[in-house]
Amino acid sequence: DTAVSQTPKYLVTQMGNDKSIKCEQNLGHDTMYWYKQDSKKFLKIMFSYNNKELIINETVPNRFSPKSPDKAHLNLHINSLELGDSAVYFCASSLRHSNYGYTFGSGTRLTVV
Amino acid sequence: AQRVTQPEKLLSVFKGAPVELKCNYSYSGSPELFWYVQYSRQRLQLLLRHISRESIKGFTADLNKGETSFHLKKPFAQEEDSAMYYCALLNPGAQKLVFGQGTRLTINP
Repeated sequence: DTAVSQTPKYLVTQMGNDKSIKCEQNLGHDTMYWYKQDSKKFLKIMFSYNNKELIINETVPNRFSPKSPDKAHLNLHINSLELGDSAVYFCASSLRHSNYGYTFGSGTRLTVV
Repeated sequence: AQRVTQPEKLLSVFKGAPVELKCNYSYSGSPELFWYVQYSRQRLQLLLRHISRESIKGFTADLNKGETSFHLKKPFAQEEDSAMYYCALLNPGAQKLVFGQGTRLTINP
């Protein structure tokens, strides 16, 4: 299946812990993104990488650190988790300079307790 | 700066009635606009792009540059259309897809 796949689908963890979310795409895209969907369903871009290079870094706390080992993978590591980090995190990918739009993963629902 | 506004958070219509989900944008360049749909607890799926002028699942959207709008329409709503709908604008220079706040559409039987 050609897709954007994220793991895990659900993540429940305690405040103060460190966790990672993984994302992989096999669409041959060269740009990958992380979006956060909050409790009001608002979608906001966090980061984007093109060919392993960071190109967008919105106002996100330093506790969030993306890592792109290659253009097919973009992982998100979160340190010292806080209650406000609870959200659904979506990975997406696209071809740079393409106007086709983005393909999204199925999301990771993070709950911090 | 680019901005997308969906003025209705919630929209409820009866099955068989026409549907219009509003979207307005502000952007200084030539916009590339999209509609995405998110069914309950699923991923966002691309519904349509203004550039292809296509009709998907009976939905259409016309870009009106004079009114800076890209409203989504369907003449006869079906129950399976109930979902969250997002209008989005792509800034090609910044390579950033910016979303509106979303409209939750509910089709009543």
